[in-house]
Amino acid sequence: AQSVTQLGSHVSVSEGALVLLRCNYSSSVPPYLFWYVQYPNQGLQLLLKYTSAATLVKGINGFEAEFKKSETSFHLTKPSAHMSDAAEYFCAVSERGAGNMLTFGGGTRLMVKP
Amino acid sequence: NAGVMQNPRHLVRRRGQEARLRCSPMKGHSHVYWYRQLPEEGLKFMVYLQKENIIDESGMPKERFSAEFPKEGPSILRIQQVVRGDSAAYFCASSPGQGAEETQYFGPGTRLLVL
Repeated sequence: AQSVTQLGSHVSVSEGALVLLRCNYSSSVPPYLFWYVQYPNQGLQLLLKYTSAATLVKGINGFEAEFKKSETSFHLTKPSAHMSDAAEYFCAVSERGAGNMLTFGGGTRLMVKP
Repeated sequence: NAGVMQNPRHLVRRRGQEARLRCSPMKGHSHVYWYRQLPEEGLKFMVYLQKENIIDESGMPKERFSAEFPKEGPSILRIQQVVRGDSAAYFCASSPGQGAEETQYFGPGTRLLVL
């Protein structure tokens, strides 16, 4: 069974600082991994996804994530935070042969201080 | 190309009433998923449908909840005899294909409040 853990339900950074949001997964087969962002009272928007091509995945809005199989991690980073990055971020996993459901982590709320 | 559409965006029901949530997938998408987000939690999978078929309903509560995706029209998530614990945001997503690597595109959600 697949599962996702996001360490840190709240992360606060200063504008211009590095953003690091952590995601660890558990999967019995090579997974597909996704990062979504949710702004208040809105749906989820895909930031990026890993589908077994390059391990470093670049997404929208300057975000990127690196798949590390040995660490079962898929942490999300951005070199310089912007005020508009304040939102909730969800890591999700799906498995080959296990249906199409996404299993989500609990989410990390990113706050950006001026 | 319009995105995934959900209506209503907000729904208030009293305990014991029925709630009907609608989802129109993106054009060309024939795979629909429903997820529930309880306050301060992540999204939990409920059901996966293709046109006229329920493919996976492993996340659906056994009672009071049902879903359909008819040949014509939107997908419907129906909750009968709602209780306060049903208060949540319900998100619909759609994808163009059926692989686990497919991106699921999410609608804005329906926020259900049960009084």
